[in-house]
Amino acid sequence: AQKITQTQPGMFVQEKEAVTLDCTYDTSDQSYGLFWYKQPSSGEMIFLIYQGSYDEQNATEGRYSLNFQKARKSANLVISASQLGDSAMYFCAMREGRGTASKLTFGTGTRLQVTL
Amino acid sequence: GAVVSQHPSRVICKSGTSVKIECRSLDFQATTMFWYRQFPKKSLMLMATSNEGSKATYEQGVEKDKFLINHASLTLSTLTVTSAHPEDSSFYICSARDMAGHNEQFFGPGTRLTVL
Repeated sequence: AQKITQTQPGMFVQEKEAVTLDCTYDTSDQSYGLFWYKQPSSGEMIFLIYQGSYDEQNATEGRYSLNFQKARKSANLVISASQLGDSAMYFCAMREGRGTASKLTFGTGTRLQVTL
Repeated sequence: GAVVSQHPSRVICKSGTSVKIECRSLDFQATTMFWYRQFPKKSLMLMATSNEGSKATYEQGVEKDKFLINHASLTLSTLTVTSAHPEDSSFYICSARDMAGHNEQFFGPGTRLTVL
């Protein structure tokens, strides 16, 4: 089974609108972390936001917020007030395990296109 | 945020030659570094995890004799693609994590390898 599932291969959003990118995960661990990364066409992976499994509040970082629904095992990324520069691939990732044994597993990504 | 560099950013080589890619953490000590491979329009696939001073742990299906990883210091890990073939052409991304309590995993800008 896929550990991280991103069901939207591509999304369009109009500039200044909000958009939600979906992510569901599968783990039997009690302690895990969820991440979102942005990858523009240059290829670099840009960290956006992190949510720990024990965090009670949804994480927020500027225009990014993570809608964490633990019972449903979902960690959707919400981008508010979209900008043209937000056009990129977005990857959801999960870190399981502890210490040096922990590693990130990535979803298949969602390509976001912001339009005028 | 912390900076991870990779060198070279692009390399073109002939089939049969070996290529070395360097990954450096510039402003922190990385006890753990990760090497990923990304095919066009695909997700990042973890190849191996390296801990400073010990042998790398390879993911299932990754040939350790083909992809040699060395993590000799807390700021440098190298990936050597030995006897490269066209099917090794890919985007290779390294990542580093500071185990001193940070949740983020910092990524290098990637190296695009083309084997002719």
